[in-house]
Amino acid sequence: KAGVTQTPRYLIKTRGQQVTLSCSPISGHRSVSWYQQTPGQGLQFLFEYFSETQRNKGNFPGRFSGRQFSNSRSEMNVSTLELGDSALYLCASSWGGDIQYFGAGTRLSVL
Amino acid sequence: SQKIEQNSEALNIQEGKTATLTCNYTNYSPAYLQWYRQDPGRGPVFLLLIRENEKEKRKERLKVTFDTTLKQSLFHITASQPADSATYLCALVGRNAGKSTFGDGTTLTVKP
Repeated sequence: KAGVTQTPRYLIKTRGQQVTLSCSPISGHRSVSWYQQTPGQGLQFLFEYFSETQRNKGNFPGRFSGRQFSNSRSEMNVSTLELGDSALYLCASSWGGDIQYFGAGTRLSVL
Repeated sequence: SQKIEQNSEALNIQEGKTATLTCNYTNYSPAYLQWYRQDPGRGPVFLLLIRENEKEKRKERLKVTFDTTLKQSLFHITASQPADSATYLCALVGRNAGKSTFGDGTTLTVKP
């Protein structure tokens, strides 16, 4: 069974731009969660989607948004990028929301 | 506010010894607690899950305990090996929230 796939693996953007990250969950998993990981803040929850609906949301500004498609694939968008958005963005899928299977992440650098 | 603390950012032990990692939480009523392992440049990998009504769980050389009175979980790796060197994260899931809240992690180094 293929694992969670995140694309791209690396991304360099400049301040003010926007970015879209993609996540393909494990086949059969309907829950997809997104996290931001930085050395100073650790792993911070962004949001969770289940069957195309946002089920949970973390404490991030509205510049961070996401969506889930009918095939459970998910995208995350960050608009008006700031230097502080530089981080490793991780996607995790699960069948019911408990045990999460993480992808390798997308490393975003904002210059 | 809710807080999760993992003992010391780094833990160094000798091969063959038992590593014990701590996860403490405050202002939280977790339905269950999980431990993950993360290697550099990779996403976390699930290791063990323990529910609020369970005291202990084991899996091969791994053991986790959960004390909801002390608001603490202990994670043990017995007969540690250099390959166990990684960052270990605890995560809590509350009864009223489906999201996982992670601690900052403890980086374990097992020296041969």
